[in-house]
Parts: sequence; C-alpha cells; structure tokens
Amino acid sequence: ETGVTQTPRHLVMGMTNKKSLKCEQHLGHNAMYWYKQSAKKPLELMFVYSLEERVENNSVPSRFSPECPNSSHLFLHLHTLQPEDSALYLCASSPLLSTSGHTDTQYFGPGTRLTVL
Amino acid sequence: AQTVTQSQPEMSVQEAETVTLSCTYDTSESDYYLFWYKQPPSRQMILVIRQEAYKQQNATENRFSVNFQKAAKSFSLKISDSQLGDAAMYFCAYSFGNQFYFGTGTSLTVIP
Repeated sequence: ETGVTQTPRHLVMGMTNKKSLKCEQHLGHNAMYWYKQSAKKPLELMFVYSLEERVENNSVPSRFSPECPNSSHLFLHLHTLQPEDSALYLCASSPLLSTSGHTDTQYFGPGTRLTVL
Repeated sequence: AQTVTQSQPEMSVQEAETVTLSCTYDTSESDYYLFWYKQPPSRQMILVIRQEAYKQQNATENRFSVNFQKAAKSFSLKISDSQLGDAAMYFCAYSFGNQFYFGTGTSLTVIP
C-alpha cells in the first residue's frame, strides 16, 4: 500500500530536540489526519485538516504543531517532547466529508515509531 | 461522549474456521458510519468493511461480514474460512462529523 507514505519510519529524539514528521498522500483526497497510537489505548485523533484548513484540534499539547501546506502533504512538528509522547504516529487521508456529513473511509500510512529519551 | 468498546483483547481461531469479533459503541446519534480496520504486524492499517448506520442491511466483503444491531449499538465482525493472513489487530471505529473514534483493538491469532 503506497497511497499514504510517512517519513521517517523510526525516530529517536531527546526532549530538547526539534524534529518533524512528514506525511504524503497520493490518493487525491482533501482531508488529512494525525493520530497517536499507544499500547493498550485507542487511537487518539490529534488533528484534522480539510482543504488545508485545520478543522479539529483535540486538546493536543502545543509541543505538537501541525502544518498542511497543500492537500497532499501534512507535517507534524515536534519540540520539547516528553517521554510519554513516545508512540506510533499515524497519518491518514480521506475524501472530504460525505454527503451525510461524516468522515468516510480513512486510508492510513505505515506510521512513524517515535521514541523520546 | 462517543466511545467504542472491544471487550476481547485477544482471540484465536483455527485456520478455515469462523470467528466473530465483538464491538459495541455509545452514541445518541441516529446517522453515523461504522468501520472495521485491520492492522497486521507491518503496522499499516487497512479497511476491512464499512457500514452506514441508516442502512439496515449488513455489509459483507468476501469472507468478512458484520452483524449490525443498531438498537443494541453492536457491530460485530465475522470472519469465515479464516486464513493465516487474517492474523492482525482488528479495530472497530465510529465516525460522526469530523470525529473518528476507535476501540482498543482485538488481537487475532490464526492457528494452522
């Protein structure tokens, strides 16, 4: 599956570092998402972008900063992270909201495994 | 708040047999979407099956089918003729508006 790609696949960073995660979708979708996946917990929706505008920010700490320069690219900028931020970060894309007004099928990337030391 | 509950953290099935994964959800809405996603050990999440709540007919996709009980807020996944490649984490998900809610997942093992 290469519709949604994420780089890097693995990242180790110190708490004082600044790094960025990149996501690219080749499906012609207009909505993109960042999720955090931790062991034994449900996937947590972090950010939603629709037509390059942020439409949801689910109480995510400011040390996570998203950027969506166009409908194909999504970034997650990281700075002064904490060890509890270690997780798998998944990017997804979908067509715009369906005519019923709900998010339809999302297509996921392989994720970035982030470790914060 | 909408929540999705998967009460079976782990399940196992013999190859070629049938297994059912359970999912319940909590919502006061009448129109929404439900999904089952599969996440193999390679970690890429892929869609298994999708159900629109206003449709009474249960969705099916080849060996995968759902039992959608709207009044009971239940959305179970049945996998028939299980194959080794079905081994994965399975996530139930609910969609309303911009929000997408996932359960904690069920780890399925397929025994040869």
